[in-house]
Amino acid sequence: DIQMTQSPSSLSASVGDRVTITCRASQSINNYLNWYQQKPGKAPKLLISATSNLQSGVPSRFSGSGSGTDFTLTISSLQPEDFATYFCQQSYSTPPVTFGQGTRLEIK
Amino acid sequence: QVLVVQSGPEVRKPGSSVKVSCKASGGTLSSYTLSWVRQAPGQGLEWLGRIIAVLGTTHYSQKFQGRVTISADKSTATAYMELNSLTSDDTAVYYCATETGIFCNRSSCYAGLFDFWGQGTLVTVSS
Repeated sequence: DIQMTQSPSSLSASVGDRVTITCRASQSINNYLNWYQQKPGKAPKLLISATSNLQSGVPSRFSGSGSGTDFTLTISSLQPEDFATYFCQQSYSTPPVTFGQGTRLEIK
Repeated sequence: QVLVVQSGPEVRKPGSSVKVSCKASGGTLSSYTLSWVRQAPGQGLEWLGRIIAVLGTTHYSQKFQGRVTISADKSTATAYMELNSLTSDDTAVYYCATETGIFCNRSSCYAGLFDFWGQGTLVTVSS
């Protein structure tokens, strides 16, 4: 199974900050990496597919990059609605589908 | 737009089973692959398995193999996830999600995108 490791597990930041979340795969997954955002009590929402493709309606302050085993999610200027938990997910080799453990982004 | 609606919360005793339903509207069930993902309180996302409805093919996480069954009833356009031999560790919110763009070869699958999610079903296992 491909293991996904995110860092940090939690992050405190202020509105307007630039933040970066990293995700590392235990083996190369090419660019088969997706990012989800989850707010408390809600289902996850797909943000970015195939490393860097923003889904329709996702603000351009979100961006993704990387390849192989190392990936990043960047929010260029945090907005109040961005405080949530973010998960990466590999779609390169399944079953099983595997997720990172999540990064909780909190208001400083 | 696809709307995914799941059945309501369940309470079960240890050792029993639970069956959660999931109905995706906005298309025919046969056109969907549906995955099940769970989230224990305060924890991350864990994939249980999927059904490729057009083929009737199921894939399961090895962790749950033998304990989970995913099925689909085309007549009612409803998918089901049944989990047996429940323990307190199975207390979680269970989500159904459409998985769009899955591609499988002989040995494995490139997973699709989990683009539409149900509202989640809380399953509580307690004596």
